[in-house]
Amino acid sequence: AQTVTQSQPEMSVQEAETVTLSCTYDTSESDYYLFWYKQPPSRQMILVIRQEAYKQQNATENRFSVNFQKAAKSFSLKISDSQLGDAAMYFCAYGRSGGSNYKLTFGKGTLLTVNP
Amino acid sequence: KAGVTQTPRYLIKTRGQQVTLSCSPISGHRSVSWYQQTPGQGLQFLFEYFSETQRNKGNFPGRFSGRQFSNSRSEMNVSTLELGDSALYLCASSLGWASGRFRATGELFFGEGSRLTVL
Repeated sequence: AQTVTQSQPEMSVQEAETVTLSCTYDTSESDYYLFWYKQPPSRQMILVIRQEAYKQQNATENRFSVNFQKAAKSFSLKISDSQLGDAAMYFCAYGRSGGSNYKLTFGKGTLLTVNP
Repeated sequence: KAGVTQTPRYLIKTRGQQVTLSCSPISGHRSVSWYQQTPGQGLQFLFEYFSETQRNKGNFPGRFSGRQFSNSRSEMNVSTLELGDSALYLCASSLGWASGRFRATGELFFGEGSRLTVL
């Protein structure tokens, strides 16, 4: 079974600085997706960034970028120029591509605090 | 485009009762998944429905059940509630996997959740 591990339960960063959240996963599949979701205090989970395993290029979305190391099964999220609105719980998630069913496996999350 | 809508947002029940939660997916999304979120266990997959068929079920007891209607709306039911069922129940919708050359994005769109407290 696939597992996703986020080793940092909590992280903090100063406003305008950069922070990196770690995620490792375990799978025997070669084709899959990886995601970072953000859950602010209002609770609604929203997608931050997505990476397809067959793409070697790291995904970027404005201030958010990932470092995808397929061989090491590592998928870290870098937030540049951190803003107060970035404060939230961040979840790393794995999804197998294709198949007859669909689900995501989530890590336990990292609570990010942004200090003014 | 309206997002995923879950009702009710909050509810309080007592042990032994049963509860039904509702989820309306994004228009056009045929896959609906349910997740249980607790501080201790994090997000755990309950089940996934596609075109009214349950395609996958997580490791939860039979007290947890669900269904999907022809308009893709979904309900989940928990019978004989236990204290440990207190959680945030999240519904998510997606396009599901398409056949042929189209490659789905794999993204789930979440609702705001239903906060269940069992006393």
